[in-house]
Amino acid sequence: NAGVTQTPKFRVLKTGQSMTLLCAQDMNHEYMYWYRQDPGMGLRLIHYSVGEGTTAKGEVPDGYNVSRLKKQNFLLGLESAAPSQTSVYFCASSYSSRELQPQHFGDGTRLSIL
Amino acid sequence: AQTVTQSQPEMSVQEAETVTLSCTYDTSESDYYLFWYKQPPSRQMILVIRQEAYKQQNATENRFSVNFQKAAKSFSLKISDSQLGDAAMYFCAYKSPIGNEKLTFGTGTRLTIIP
Repeated sequence: NAGVTQTPKFRVLKTGQSMTLLCAQDMNHEYMYWYRQDPGMGLRLIHYSVGEGTTAKGEVPDGYNVSRLKKQNFLLGLESAAPSQTSVYFCASSYSSRELQPQHFGDGTRLSIL
Repeated sequence: AQTVTQSQPEMSVQEAETVTLSCTYDTSESDYYLFWYKQPPSRQMILVIRQEAYKQQNATENRFSVNFQKAAKSFSLKISDSQLGDAAMYFCAYKSPIGNEKLTFGTGTRLTIIP
């Protein structure tokens, strides 16, 4: 099973450039999430989606946009990359709410902004 | 808002010994879910164990078990018979039963296994 797949795995950008990170899941999950992981800070939620066509802000949404046009895909966009966005980005998905359903994570994308 | 605290940035244990990783959290909710995730050098986040707050019995998964103290808001992870493959970052996470289902993570504990 593929589970949650993130593309690309590594990327280097220059300040001001734009890019899109792709997350795809094959588990028919309703919920999808984008987190960023920085040293000493654990994972923080950027944006999330509770179903196709829906998105919502998390803890640290500034500088990012997301789209969920298809249930299996969740895109994270950086319109104008800044060095503060250098991080490892994780996508996750889960099946349902109000139950002990774990989130399934992708392998992460390491993004460096020069 | 909920917060999760892991006060041990690093821990080490001799192979085959037992180690306990601590986690405390702050919440005003009476029902919630708690998780431990493992992140090896490969970077993937792997679920280790999970616990529902309203269940008194501590969760167990093979060599991994938790000590859940609801009144103290403590959720420690015990790893028995430590193996080299257990070396990783371990994250404690909290999930509210309402709202957006997001996980609130602690800052992690890096576990080293000494051969």
